[in-house]
Amino acid sequence: EAQVTQNPRYLITVTGKKLTVTCSQNMNHEYMSWYRQDPGLGLRQIYYSMNVEVTDKGDVPEGYKVSRKEKRNFPLILESPSPNQTSLYFCASSSGPTDTGELFFGEGSRLTVL
Amino acid sequence: GEDVEQSLFLSVREGDSSVINCTYTDSSSTYLYWYKQEPGAGLQLLTYIFSNMDMKQDQRLTVLLNKKDKHLSLRIADTQTGDSAIYFCAEKWNTGFQKLVFGTGTRLLVSP
Repeated sequence: EAQVTQNPRYLITVTGKKLTVTCSQNMNHEYMSWYRQDPGLGLRQIYYSMNVEVTDKGDVPEGYKVSRKEKRNFPLILESPSPNQTSLYFCASSSGPTDTGELFFGEGSRLTVL
Repeated sequence: GEDVEQSLFLSVREGDSSVINCTYTDSSSTYLYWYKQEPGAGLQLLTYIFSNMDMKQDQRLTVLLNKKDKHLSLRIADTQTGDSAIYFCAEKWNTGFQKLVFGTGTRLLVSP
């Protein structure tokens, strides 16, 4: 089954404790991206990657890091989480700048930083 | 600006039509999309329209595009309780890479 898998789905942590949210896709997609969803703000892009070893900042990259060492994985790293990073995070992938541009989303990771 | 705007909330009765509106930002956007987010799930593509089209119909869904006003709408005919969800419009910027900009989302509540 074609899917984007995120882990963990739910996490409560404390300020300053480094964490990683993993994302893996099994569709051989070149393009992967991280979004955060906040009430009244919709989805905002954090980082994206056009291919292996190619990453770039989205609209709200501060406080986050990513890496793309393999095509299927695109982890999101919070080196020193803060309460304003409490949010619902989505990883998404697509086959690239195709005609339809459809993004496939994971089920989301709800993060609470105390 | 970069904001794709939607109204936050819409409530309809089962069997009525629902119309969700969106104002986007980039007149050169090539594709415009409607995504659906059900509770506890990620977003799924519902439908899309190419920028050279005015209308697209897909079963109960009708998408209307007004490029002059940069206005996109999604009409759901015979709305069902299973249509209750958050609906996001998104635009694909006409840049050299895959940039999708999402709206704020409209929560549709369908009551029996």
